[in-house]
Amino acid sequence: QKEVEQDPGPLSVPEGAIVSLNCTYSNSAFQYFMWYRQYSRKGPELLMYTYSSGNKEDGRFTAQVDKSSKYISLFIRDSQPSDSATYLCASDTGRRALTFGSGTRLQVQP
Amino acid sequence: DAGVIQSPRHEVTEMGQEVTLRCKPISGHDYLFWYRQTMMRGLELLIYFNNNVPIDDSGMPEDRFSAKMPNASFSTLKIQPSEPRDSAVYFCASSDVRGQIYEQYFGPGTRLTVT
Repeated sequence: QKEVEQDPGPLSVPEGAIVSLNCTYSNSAFQYFMWYRQYSRKGPELLMYTYSSGNKEDGRFTAQVDKSSKYISLFIRDSQPSDSATYLCASDTGRRALTFGSGTRLQVQP
Repeated sequence: DAGVIQSPRHEVTEMGQEVTLRCKPISGHDYLFWYRQTMMRGLELLIYFNNNVPIDDSGMPEDRFSAKMPNASFSTLKIQPSEPRDSAVYFCASSDVRGQIYEQYFGPGTRLTVT
């Protein structure tokens, strides 16, 4: 079993929809939780992060962590075609050795 | 800043050949990471360096893989001999100890195909 599990999708939604992306993890030592976005044939780039449990909002994006259930979520409001990408959740104990989920491919239809 | 630079961008080689992937981190960054991405296994950390010293190489799949960082601005990942199952996209990333622990800057990747 991988330490971070993520549904690979693909997930297809119409423009303007609310998107919910989720991951589960098994390592209780994880303290840092982040979402990276990867466009086709590009390297991943950091999108959002949270430390420990809680919510964090940045524009149309909200990251949520529930450590009691070991659940990581990313919500995208008013989704745009430019949001079409693969979204990777990642976690770290503080060692800087990120453990990534396998990624969920999102397609936002205009 | 030019960002993380990787070369070559594409590499096609035959089984048994030696492959060398190269990375130039962002200037001033003191952490460097090598990752491998495949459809089956996703993005996996192979090895990372701090101040040119290897810290954790537990992700290196086997002895055919080796990585070096002779100075702060250059690192190599070598596969010898290469096998078809090594076909993947290899990413290099760097980060700054003064920056956030979770923020790594990725290069564009090297797409390796071993036939």
